[in-house]
Amino acid sequence: DIQLTQSPSFVSASIGDRVTITCRASQDINSYLAWYQQKPGKAPKLLINAASTLESGVPLRFSGGGSGTEFTLTIGSLQPEDLAFYFCQQVNGEFAFTFGGGTQVEAK
Amino acid sequence: EVQLVQSGGGLVQPGGSLRLSCEVSEFSSVIYHFDWVRQAPGKGLEWIASTCCDARSSNYADSVRGRFSISRDIARNSVFLQMNNLTGDDTAFYFCAREGNPYSDYHSFDDWGQGTLVTVSS
Repeated sequence: DIQLTQSPSFVSASIGDRVTITCRASQDINSYLAWYQQKPGKAPKLLINAASTLESGVPLRFSGGGSGTEFTLTIGSLQPEDLAFYFCQQVNGEFAFTFGGGTQVEAK
Repeated sequence: EVQLVQSGGGLVQPGGSLRLSCEVSEFSSVIYHFDWVRQAPGKGLEWIASTCCDARSSNYADSVRGRFSISRDIARNSVFLQMNNLTGDDTAFYFCAREGNPYSDYHSFDDWGQGTLVTVSS
């Protein structure tokens, strides 16, 4: 199975800060990566598909980048409603749909 | 906006069985893919099963293969997860999810159920 390693596992940032989360794959997955946001007690919400395609309705301060084995999720200017957990996921149907370990974004 | 409404879950003894249901608010063509994902309390997400089209198109994580079975009832717009021989390691919140465009190569999980807690304990 493809392993996904997220870093950092915890981010403490101020409102308005730029926040970047990294997801590294154990093998080349091209652009088969999605990002999700999860708030406590809620189901995950799809933010970005195909590494960089923003889902409809997701604020433009969110962006995704990368390909191959290294990917990033960036929040351009952190807002209070962005305080949550973030997970990456490999979305190539030829392999098991593994998730990264998650990153908690908290207010400083 | 499509909604996935889950039912089932609860407390079950080790070695017991449980069936989770996930009803979709709108018709989903047989070609849509559905998945089950679980999350142990305070932990990350673990994909456990997926299905599309027919029973032969089901896939499972190693952790549940041979014990869990995913199925669909197209007429009832529902997806099910039959869980057998449960252990404490299966204690988790369980989410159903519908993948996006069935013609896309990118199998993102676009729509999710609200989640249901399964607790395996004596």
